[in-house]
Amino acid sequence: EVQLLESGGGLVQPGGSLRLSCAASGFTFSSYVMNWVRQAPGKGLEWVSGISGSGDNTYYADSVKGRFTISRDNSKNTLYLQMNSLRTEDTAVYYCAKDRGTTVTKKDYFDYWGQGTLVTVSS
Amino acid sequence: DIQMTQSPSSLSASVGDRVTITCRASQTISSYLNWYQQKPGKAPNLLISGASSLQSGVPSRFSGSGSGTDFTLTISSLQPEDFATYYCQQSYSTPRTFGQGTKVEIK
Repeated sequence: EVQLLESGGGLVQPGGSLRLSCAASGFTFSSYVMNWVRQAPGKGLEWVSGISGSGDNTYYADSVKGRFTISRDNSKNTLYLQMNSLRTEDTAVYYCAKDRGTTVTKKDYFDYWGQGTLVTVSS
Repeated sequence: DIQMTQSPSSLSASVGDRVTITCRASQTISSYLNWYQQKPGKAPNLLISGASSLQSGVPSRFSGSGSGTDFTLTISSLQPEDFATYYCQQSYSTPRTFGQGTKVEIK
């Protein structure tokens, strides 16, 4: 059974940093693209970042480029999101989502999701 | 970036009704369109990929169609467990983008 468990959320002040983790199990982690998708309170879904199975290729939304860094440790079956220079508009539930394949292709979709971790940016 | 626009933003329907949700892309995305269902406090759940491929375990009352820029999600006979918010998402290019969501409520 595929399981994704996010952790690391919490309250942080504007300008601060936070690192999210997503522990994966039930599938060959290194064989799949992984993503972070966020949802601000009462709002819709926003894709944040993705990383190929090998970790060689990373992708970011313009809204977080230069501030967030996605990475993965395939030996630990864990996905990370390092978030720096946080803004109030980064407040959201952050979901870890598994992709269909090993590399980013047009046929992709998010087939499994974690339950999310809440990040609140406020003074 | 490809903009995805859903309509309506919300709708009220009764159990047994046929419901149709539309999603329009700002440029052609062929059939690279996915649909998700999200219930309050829960993570999204993939319903349909590639515009019309029903995921395993998803009831057959759900169907998807369309290509190019215009897509449709249809629920043939609305059930109590279908009251939720539905999102379309394009996978044609990065950044992946979602529609704003359509909330299906009980009439």
